[in-house]
Amino acid sequence: NAGVTQTPKFRILKIGQSMTLQCTQDMNHNYMYWYRQDPGMGLKLIYYSVGAGITDKGEVPNGYNVSRSTTEDFPLRLELAAPSQTSVYFCASSYFDRTYEQYFGPGTRLTVT
Amino acid sequence: KQEVTQIPAALSVPEGENLVLNCSFTDSAIYNLQWFRQDPGKGLTSLLLIQSSQREQTSGRLNASLDKSSGRSTLYIAASQPGDSATYLCAVRAHRSGGGADGLTFGKGTHLIIQP
Repeated sequence: NAGVTQTPKFRILKIGQSMTLQCTQDMNHNYMYWYRQDPGMGLKLIYYSVGAGITDKGEVPNGYNVSRSTTEDFPLRLELAAPSQTSVYFCASSYFDRTYEQYFGPGTRLTVT
Repeated sequence: KQEVTQIPAALSVPEGENLVLNCSFTDSAIYNLQWFRQDPGKGLTSLLLIQSSQREQTSGRLNASLDKSSGRSTLYIAASQPGDSATYLCAVRAHRSGGGADGLTFGKGTHLIIQP
């Protein structure tokens, strides 16, 4: 199992550009999540999904969109990138319900200039 | 709103010492608590998961305890080694009663340095 994979590892965007961060898991997990981590801070939840076709907002959803068309993939879309979106983005997944541990991908480091 | 606090923010100890990292949370209505390790520029590695009905979990030199009623958890590291140097994050999975998003609520972490 590759676990949770994310692409790209690094990206530099100009203000106003858009991009999609990719996340794939091969563990057949129902739950998937996107978090962001700012320097010296804990992670904050952006969006999550409890299964294909179902998504919901987390703590900091503004400026982002998600979709979940398959169990394996959970892409995060940034529209009109802003400097405040400079951060490290982590995707995570967990099995069946909220009692299971979350597994994290290696992260995408995004800089918006 | 659930808040997670980790103390201390940074810790430096000589190799071989036993040490304790602290985590507190404001709402005891949780499913579980998870401890992670994060190396510089890397992702998160799950160390231990404690369900709300459990008091502790052990893995090798690591022992995590949970006192849900007081909103506290500790991570005990025995016989510390330089390879233990990393940032340790505590996170809770809260109940969604009364609304609120799913997912983990994280503390800011404890930056640990083990001196050779």
